[in-house]
Amino acid sequence: QVQLQESGPGLVKPSETLSLTCSVSGVSISSYYWSWIRQFPGMRLEWLGYIHDNGNNNYNPSLNSRVSMSVDTSKNQFSLRLTSVTAADTAMYYCARDSSSRGNDYWGQGILVTVSS
Amino acid sequence: EIVLTQSPATLSLSPGDRATLSCRASQSVSSSLAWFQQRPGQAPSLLIYDASTRATGIPARFSGSGSGTDFTLTINNLEPEDFAVYFCQQRYFWPRTFGQGTRVEIK
Repeated sequence: QVQLQESGPGLVKPSETLSLTCSVSGVSISSYYWSWIRQFPGMRLEWLGYIHDNGNNNYNPSLNSRVSMSVDTSKNQFSLRLTSVTAADTAMYYCARDSSSRGNDYWGQGILVTVSS
Repeated sequence: EIVLTQSPATLSLSPGDRATLSCRASQSVSSSLAWFQQRPGQAPSLLIYDASTRATGIPARFSGSGSGTDFTLTINNLEPEDFAVYFCQQRYFWPRTFGQGTRVEIK
């Protein structure tokens, strides 16, 4: 059974870097692409990007190069890094599997990240 | 980027009713459209992909249709657990985008 679990700090100061990790179980991380998606207060969803351990990635240009993602195959984990955060980055952050045929078919439970001093 | 417009914003129905949700794309996304259900306090979960294919374990009362710019999610015989928020998502263009959601509430 495929399971994903986000981890990381729930509070980040403005101008600092948000770093989250997604631990994957039940499947090899090398077999799929992996996405990060966030949901703002008020429900709006934003796809941040995806990554594969072969180096392929695609990021949302709306983030103005603040985002990067990486994969650690030894730990079956992938990570998100978002620099220069502001209050507008306060959201629930989800990691999700990205199947070539089905899209985002498995999601983590999400982690709430608040940007505040 | 592709804008997905969902309507209505809220649908007030009773258990046993039929729900018809719409998702319109700002340009053609072929059949690369998915529907997600989000219950309170939970992550979105995949219902339909490629416009009309039910994901694993999704009951037959959920059906999707459409292609190009106009898509519909139909839920027949609403069950209590179906009252939730529904999102559409396109994965034809980068970046992938979501609709703003339709809330199906108990009348």
